[in-house]
Amino acid sequence: NAGVMQNPRHLVRRRGQEARLRCSPMKGHSHVYWYRQLPEEGLKFMVYLQKENIIDESGMPKERFSAEFPKEGPSILRIQQVVRGDSAAYFCASSPTRGSFYGYTFGSGTRLTVV
Amino acid sequence: DQQVKQNSPSLSVQEGRISILNCDYTNSMFDYFLWYKKYPAEGPTFLISISSIKDKNEDGRFTVFLNKSAKHLSLHIVPSQPGDSAVYFCAASAGKTDKLIFGTGTRLQVFP
Repeated sequence: NAGVMQNPRHLVRRRGQEARLRCSPMKGHSHVYWYRQLPEEGLKFMVYLQKENIIDESGMPKERFSAEFPKEGPSILRIQQVVRGDSAAYFCASSPTRGSFYGYTFGSGTRLTVV
Repeated sequence: DQQVKQNSPSLSVQEGRISILNCDYTNSMFDYFLWYKKYPAEGPTFLISISSIKDKNEDGRFTVFLNKSAKHLSLHIVPSQPGDSAVYFCAASAGKTDKLIFGTGTRLQVFP
C-alpha cells in the first residue's frame, strides 16, 4: 500500500521556465492538498482539490500558479515563469474524507530550486 | 500574521529525559490541533492530535496538553530517545475548514 507519491523529488529550473510537480494520492484517497515550505518556515496551505474540482485555492498566489486533479492521473501543481522566490519544498497530502484530518498523509515533497 | 507560533526554534535534551515542545496560537476559532514530526528530506508524519473539547491526549510516550484560556499547547515526550531527533510542527484547524495552519517548527535533538 504505497503512500502519497510525489515526483520529481528534486527539480531545478532556470528563471522563466515552467515547473510541474506531480502528486499521486494514497489508494482510496480522493482529496488532495498542496502545501509549500519556504526555507526556515512552516508549511503553508496552497490549494485543496477533489477529483476534477478545486475546492479551496485561498493560499495560491494569484499569478503563475495553477493546480489540477483530473479524473485520471495525478494531481499537478504548475508554476509558470518561475522566479527565485519560488524555490521551496512543495508537499502534497491526501485524505480519504473531507473535513477530517484522520488519515491525512503527506508525501515526501518536491524540492524546487530556481537558478 | 503568524496564527500558530513555535517560539523555540531548537531544543536539546538528554536521552531518557522529558522533552517539552511548546506552541501558541492566536485564533480562538481553532478547534483541532495536531503535532507532526519531520525528518530531513521527508514529509511530515502525524504524531498526535487533540480536539478543543479535551485538555489532554496521550499516546504512548507522547502527550499533548491544551490550555484554551492561554491559547497554548505543548507536546511532552517521555522518555526521549535519540530517534525522536527531528523537527516538530504544531498545526491547527478551524471548524469545517480543510486546511492546516502550521507553526514554524522546533528542531529537537536528543543526545545520549
